[in-house]
Amino acid sequence: QKEVEQNSGPLSVPEGAIASLNCTYSDRGSQSFFWYRQYSGKSPELIMFIYSNGDKEDGRFTAQLNKASQYVSLLIRDSQPSDSATYLCAVPRYNTDKLIFGTGTRLQVFP
Amino acid sequence: NAGVTQTPKFRILKIGQSMTLQCTQDMNHNYMYWYRQDPGMGLKLIYYSVGAGITDKGEVPNGYNVSRSTTEDFPLRLELAAPSQTSVYFCAGVKNTGELFFGEGSRLTVL
Repeated sequence: QKEVEQNSGPLSVPEGAIASLNCTYSDRGSQSFFWYRQYSGKSPELIMFIYSNGDKEDGRFTAQLNKASQYVSLLIRDSQPSDSATYLCAVPRYNTDKLIFGTGTRLQVFP
Repeated sequence: NAGVTQTPKFRILKIGQSMTLQCTQDMNHNYMYWYRQDPGMGLKLIYYSVGAGITDKGEVPNGYNVSRSTTEDFPLRLELAAPSQTSVYFCAGVKNTGELFFGEGSRLTVL
């Protein structure tokens, strides 16, 4: 099992819809979870991080964490074509300083 | 991406050649990371450093070396370039929040 697993997509959603991106992780000791967005040919940039079980909202973005089931998700409400990018989930390996990334999910929002 | 500067942005190497990818940060980050990203894939951790004089291996360190003589600089050395090292390389610093702040990337092709 990969340490951090994501569906590579592409996930295609119409403009205005909710995009749901999922990530599972293998290390039960992981404490913090990060979502990065990467536009084609650009470097990744942080969208959100979450530490506690439940939901965390920031504008149109909501991160959801379920430690018991070892998954973290990112919801994008009112999706816009400008949200079209690859979304990377990142999880620090427990008790280390190594931040491990999933392979990313490519999101396409069509008008 | 002010704060983390990578050079060169593009480079073509012949098999067996050596080179150094430079990374400089001016935000006084203690933690710095080198990742590589192959087409359509996520980021793989090569090496990281938690401060001057301290480095450690990541997921894919073979074929690379690093040094951290100062807080500002974290160069990545390729000793004997191989086609498998064709990739985009990202250097990143870590903010106090735990957020990785990436440079613009260095695109390396080995022929």
